[in-house]
Amino acid sequence: AQTVTQSQPEMSVQEAETVTLSCTYDTSESDYYLFWYKQPPSRQMILVIRQEAYKQQNATENRFSVNFQKAAKSFSLKISDSQLGDAAMYFCAYLQDFGNEKLTFGTGTRLTIIP
Amino acid sequence: DAGVIQSPRHEVTEMGQEVTLRCKPISGHDYLFWYRQTMMRGLELLIYFNNNVPIDDSGMPEDRFSAKMPNASFSTLKIQPSEPRDSAVYFCATSWGTAGGSDTQYFGPGTRLTVL
Repeated sequence: AQTVTQSQPEMSVQEAETVTLSCTYDTSESDYYLFWYKQPPSRQMILVIRQEAYKQQNATENRFSVNFQKAAKSFSLKISDSQLGDAAMYFCAYLQDFGNEKLTFGTGTRLTIIP
Repeated sequence: DAGVIQSPRHEVTEMGQEVTLRCKPISGHDYLFWYRQTMMRGLELLIYFNNNVPIDDSGMPEDRFSAKMPNASFSTLKIQPSEPRDSAVYFCATSWGTAGGSDTQYFGPGTRLTVL
């Protein structure tokens, strides 16, 4: 069974600085998707970024980028120029391609932005 | 696009009452998922549909829970009778289909259910 591990329950960063959230996963599959979701206090689950496993290039969305290391099964999220609005729980998630539609979530990292 | 729409946003009810949660998916999405989020158990997949057909309901906790998708624009999750341990945030999420199955899931705002 696939598992997703986020080893940092809490992180904090100074406003305008850069922070990296860690995620590792376990799978025997070669085709899959990886995601980072953000859950602010409003509790809405917001998609931050998506990575397809067959793509070697790391995904980027504005201030958010990932470091995808397929062999190491690592998928970290880097937030540059942190803003107060980035404060939230961040969940890493895995979706297998072909046949299993279950999105497997990590336990989350709570990110605090220090003004 | 309006995104995934859920109603109500908040529901407070008494033990034993019937609760119905509603979801309107993003137009064109083939898959619909119902999740439950609690502090103790995190995010749990309850059931998902593909083209209005329930595919996997193995996450539905008990017979008190039921879900339907009568058409491509509407789904319900019903709890009857409700119990205090059902208190949680319930999310609906939808995604488009690909040759390999589903893809990115987009979540609704959630329904916070409190059962007294």
